Amino acid sequence: DAKTTQPTSMDCAEGRAANLPCNHSTISGNEYVYWYRQIHSQGPQYIIHGLKNNETNEMASLIITEDRKSSTLILPHATLRDTAVYYCIVNNQGGKLIFGQGTELSVKP
Amino acid sequence: SAVISQKPSRDICQRGTSLTIQCQVDSQVTMMFWYRQQPGQSLTLIATANQGSEATYESGFVIDKFPISRPNLTFSTLTVSNMSPEDSSIYLCSAYGTSWNEQFFGPGTRLTVL
Repeated sequence: DAKTTQPTSMDCAEGRAANLPCNHSTISGNEYVYWYRQIHSQGPQYIIHGLKNNETNEMASLIITEDRKSSTLILPHATLRDTAVYYCIVNNQGGKLIFGQGTELSVKP
Repeated sequence: SAVISQKPSRDICQRGTSLTIQCQVDSQVTMMFWYRQQPGQSLTLIATANQGSEATYESGFVIDKFPISRPNLTFSTLTVSNMSPEDSSIYLCSAYGTSWNEQFFGPGTRLTVL
C-alpha cells in the first residue's frame, strides 16, 4: 500500500471550511484514497473515499488531483465536534488499513 | 453497516499475566482485524483474523504474544500474553465486508499493565 503524508496539525475556525491535504505520490492505479477520523477516545470512523473523481457525501467532500498524487478533504462548515485526528489512507479495497500519523484538526470557537 | 462491541472496555493487569479481548459484530463479515494504538500514537495493524484458519500477522507481531481466534463470521478474540508495561495500549478490532465501502471499528479496549 502506498504511503501518505499529512500535516501534523491544523486549526480551523468554527463555521469555516476545513481543508485537509494529503500527499500520496506513490499511489498505484487500483488504489483508492480513504479518509477516516478518530475523535478522542473513540474508534476510527469512515468519512469518504474515492478513486479518480471528486466525491461528496453528507460529511465531506474529497478532491483528488488529476494525477492522483494528492487529495484534499473538505469539511464545508466545521463544528467543534469535528475536532479529531484525520487519517488519509491509500488502499486497494482489500480491507487492511495502514494508518499514518494523521492530521490533528482543532476547530476553535 | 455494522455495530461492533468489545469486552472488556478497559482493564488493569499485572505484569506476566494474560488478557483476552473479545470482539463481537452484529452481522456476518468477511474480514476482521486487530489494531494496537499506543499512547499518543496512530493505529498499528496487528493481524488479520481469519475464520477457520490461523491469523495473518503483520511484521513485528507474533502468534505466541498475540494469539487470535476467529471461530465464526461474527466473533474474534485477541489475547495479549505475558504482559509487560510496554503492552499498555488501546486495542481495537474492526470488520469489513466485501460489499461495504468502509471498515467499522469497535470502541477499543484500554489496557494498562502495571
